[in-house]
Amino acid sequence: AQRVTQPEKLLSVFKGAPVELKCNYSYSGSPELFWYVQYSRQRLQLLLRHISRESIKGFTADLNKGETSFHLKKPFAQEEDSAMYYCASFSGGYNKLIFGAGTRLAVHP
Amino acid sequence: GAGVSQSPRYKVAKRGQDVALRCDPISGHVSLFWYQQALGQGPEFLTYFQNEAQLDKSGLPSDRFFAERPEGSVSTLKIQRTQQEDSAVYLCASSKPGTSRYEQYFGPGTRLTVT
Repeated sequence: AQRVTQPEKLLSVFKGAPVELKCNYSYSGSPELFWYVQYSRQRLQLLLRHISRESIKGFTADLNKGETSFHLKKPFAQEEDSAMYYCASFSGGYNKLIFGAGTRLAVHP
Repeated sequence: GAGVSQSPRYKVAKRGQDVALRCDPISGHVSLFWYQQALGQGPEFLTYFQNEAQLDKSGLPSDRFFAERPEGSVSTLKIQRTQQEDSAVYLCASSKPGTSRYEQYFGPGTRLTVT
């Protein structure tokens, strides 16, 4: 079965430090991968998708098919980046999303 | 414009009671999804509608769970004879294929607590 794994429940860093949130996937075809973010008391929202190869709020994520990874990176963390981050994979057919368990990013001043 | 809305935001039910959770998708969005998010977990797919047609209900955990979208807009997720393991946040999402096909817009969720 298709699976998305986020090995870290919590990632704690200081402001200005680099951040890497890990995501690994299992999928035999060509995956469609996303990062969703949920800020405190807000709804889940799309942060970025790999097909766009975009940088949003300083975050980037590169699909590495060899390592089946889609890690989320930011060179200098900000306090406002503190949130829950979910990696997700599109499951073909009806666009349903398969989510990882999530990583809580805490950025300290 | 308004985003996806869900009601009620919080629901406490005694074990064995039936509950109904409502989702109002973004106007014009033909695709509607329900997800269940248990504490400390990511959302898990329950069911999918395209307009009024329920095309995938493979994620519904038991026959106590039932979803409908009779007019292709508002959707209701019903849980009969609730059990403690049903306690979770129920998320609704909608999307509009043809534009940002892969972007699903999520509602705030309904937190169900079964006592």
